[in-house]
Amino acid sequence: AQKITQTQPGMFVQEKEAVTLDCTYDTSDPSYGLFWYKQPSSGEMIFLIYQGSYDQQNATEGRYSLNFQKARKSANLVISASQLGDSAMYFCAMRGSGNNDMRFGAGTRLTVKP
Amino acid sequence: GAVVSQHPSRVICKSGTSVKIECRSLDFQATTMFWYRQFPKKSLMLMATSNEGSKATYEQGVEKDKFLINHASLTLSTLTVTSAHPEDSSFYICSARGDRGHNEQFFGPGTRLTVL
Repeated sequence: AQKITQTQPGMFVQEKEAVTLDCTYDTSDPSYGLFWYKQPSSGEMIFLIYQGSYDQQNATEGRYSLNFQKARKSANLVISASQLGDSAMYFCAMRGSGNNDMRFGAGTRLTVKP
Repeated sequence: GAVVSQHPSRVICKSGTSVKIECRSLDFQATTMFWYRQFPKKSLMLMATSNEGSKATYEQGVEKDKFLINHASLTLSTLTVTSAHPEDSSFYICSARGDRGHNEQFFGPGTRLTVL
């Protein structure tokens, strides 16, 4: 069974600073994918970044980077130079190689302060 | 990126009626579609997975006779909430995977269902 854990229900960050959102996971799959999504108040799920379990390098997408520590089973999202528009819910998700479906963590509500 | 649409975006209905929600992949063929349910300030909970032309696979605890899923084509899946009750009020989100890369999964904008 797969399990995704996000232990931070809410986070605050000052505008222009960096913030790390935590995500740990548990799976018996040898191959899996890790995802981060942003959900603003409108409800749409916005894909941010993907990390494959066999990827040698940490994924980066613009201001988003994924701090992937396989041995610790963590896949933290780092947002650099926070902007007011970054305020939203952030979900970590995982999909195993044998599974077709994606499972989500509980989410972290990020608030960027001006 | 690929686009997934949902219709309607909002629906209010009376208790006991059935509601159909459509999910369409607009520019790719969705071999697999997923339906999620999200309660306020909660995470997305997978309800069912459907592959085109076959019966949906429901997650434990999800009533298949209550939530009817039809994946009739590679671009359309429907979720019908039958005999809706107030406890079915929720945000329903569909998601689709296709042939555009092993890691790509796209989400619709969601449908907010309110049952009076």
